[in-house]
Amino acid sequence: EPEVTQTPSHQVTQMGQEVILRCVPISNHLYFYWYRQILGQKVEFLVSFYNNEISEKSEIFDDQFSVERPDGSNFTLKIRSTKLEDSAMYFCASSPRTYANEKLFFGSGTQLSVL
Amino acid sequence: GQQLNQSPQSMFIQEGEDVSMNCTSSSIFNTWLWYKQDPGEGPVLLIALYKAGELTSNGRLTAQFGITRKDSFLNISASIPSDVGIYFCAGQYSNTGKLIFGQGTTLQVKP
Repeated sequence: EPEVTQTPSHQVTQMGQEVILRCVPISNHLYFYWYRQILGQKVEFLVSFYNNEISEKSEIFDDQFSVERPDGSNFTLKIRSTKLEDSAMYFCASSPRTYANEKLFFGSGTQLSVL
Repeated sequence: GQQLNQSPQSMFIQEGEDVSMNCTSSSIFNTWLWYKQDPGEGPVLLIALYKAGELTSNGRLTAQFGITRKDSFLNISASIPSDVGIYFCAGQYSNTGKLIFGQGTTLQVKP
């Protein structure tokens, strides 16, 4: 069964460093998302991406964050200068379409630890 | 922003018992989804609901989309140890696919 894959599974970085989290969405999907989950808390929306541009972003997704689909398969989340509070599990998700009624499929996540 | 209130926060039950959890919102959603999350993994979709009043089953799981479109419940019948995990409700209202998640219900099942 097709699945969303994320790499790396764990990333440890120093505060102020740049990190890039990588995702390969399901191949025929058109909509891509990043969510994050701080330990013990709920899953929070960061950004949605369609047709090579951001569709919607949350207040968490500030100027330090960016997303890119550099080729036909990868979808990346970059954090330019990491802060301690960026430590969280980051989930990539994709869906085949969306008209406010579509299922999102999630990857297994990248655990980011900022020291 | 929109908030979902999910309850209960946690449950500890005996194997074989039925379980019920629910989510409420002050705002209307177009879609309700229920996910299960195992430790260190991403959320896995259990059931998706698209119409107010809709009742949908997936094996031992049954979920309903409230008539007011502001609530949903998930029932698990005859629980088994592998049902252990965190269950999240999620509402969807925008045409960008954005999901609003509840706080989660942690389920523990005693064999």
